[in-house]
This record gives sequence, C-alpha cells and structure tokens, in this order.
Amino acid sequence: EPEVTQTPSHQVTQMGQEVILRCVPISNHLYFYWYRQILGQKVEFLVSFYNNEISEKSEIFDDQFSVERPDGSNFTLKIRSTKLEDSAMYFCASIPLGAGGEQYFGPGTRLTVT
Amino acid sequence: DQQVKQNSPSLSVQEGRISILNCDYTNSMFDYFLWYKKYPAEGPTFLISISSIKDKNEDGRFTVFLNKSAKHLSLHIVPSQPGDSAVYFCAASERGGSEKLVFGKGTKLTVNP
Repeated sequence: EPEVTQTPSHQVTQMGQEVILRCVPISNHLYFYWYRQILGQKVEFLVSFYNNEISEKSEIFDDQFSVERPDGSNFTLKIRSTKLEDSAMYFCASIPLGAGGEQYFGPGTRLTVT
Repeated sequence: DQQVKQNSPSLSVQEGRISILNCDYTNSMFDYFLWYKKYPAEGPTFLISISSIKDKNEDGRFTVFLNKSAKHLSLHIVPSQPGDSAVYFCAASERGGSEKLVFGKGTKLTVNP
C-alpha cells in the first residue's frame, strides 16, 4: 500500500540554523499539507499546497517558513532560522483530487532545536 | 481557540467491552469529521470519517455518531482489543475535500487484557 514518507526521522539543529524537512507524498495525490505537534499538545495545521502554490497558511507559518515542491515527488518545508519553540514533530500529509477529506499522514520528523 | 475539543485526556477499558470516545466542536462551518489513531513516534492513521449529512457511519468494530444539533460526535469501538490502545484524535474540516484539518487534543485509550 502506498504511503507518505518523510526524512529525516529526527533532526537536531542549533538555534538560528536553517533546516529542510522532506516529504514524499503518495504519487497520485495533488494536495499537500504540513502539520506540527509540539510535545503534549494537539496537531496543528501549518500550510496547504496545491498546484504549486500555497492554498492556505496558519498564523504559525510566518516568514521563517517556506514550502516547495522542487520536483514531481518531493515536498519540502524549510525553516530559515530555527527557534527553540520550533522543536516539535512535523507531519506531512496528502490527499488525491476529489477525496473526501481523509488525509494520509507520514511518520513525521522530530525536530529538536538546541 | 479550541474549535475541536476532546475533554477526556484518557480512557481505560477492559478488553471485550465498549470504548466510547467523545468530541465536541464549536465551528458550525465544519461539515466533515474524522477520527485518527496515533501510536508514539508515528504519524496519525486515518480510522473513520463522517459527513455532516449523515448521523452514523460504521466500519467493522468502529462506529462514529454525529449529533449536529449538539455539535458532538463520538467514536464507539466494540469489542475493544488491547491493540486498540493508542491516542485517538478527533478532527474536522470545512467543506470536506481539501480543507485543512482542525484537531482536538486527543484521548489516550488503554485497553486492558
């Protein structure tokens, strides 16, 4: 069964450094999302992406964040200058066109900012 | 701003009994509701969903009930199995389809053998 994959599984970085989190959505999916979950808190929406542009972004998704689909398979989330409060699990999700809303999630990347 | 609320952080049931997980929402624009199951160090896994035009959806041992007037939904698991032990998240979206999901804080279900 096809699945969403994410790399790396764990990323440790120093405050102020740039990180790129990578996702490979399911191949025939057209809508892509990033969510995050700070330890002990709920899963929060960051951004949605369709047709090579951002569809919607949350208040969390400020100028330090960007997303890209550099080729036909990868979907990346970049944080330009990480802060301690960016430490969280980051989940990528995708759905095909015309889906009922069931988003398929990847296993997540644990980002630790020190 | 808690648009989706799961007021019980944890629930413990005996194997074979019914598990009932509850969820309330405040946004009347939500028209699609989902339950996800999550194990530690894994991503959320889709379990079952329901559209606002229905009041019940069943899939094997899992049934979701929706009460729109009360803005309340529940997930019933019958019979509960130890493998069901996980965190269950309620989520909602507007206009179904490609809209973002808004999650509750989750309920940790423990099914005791």
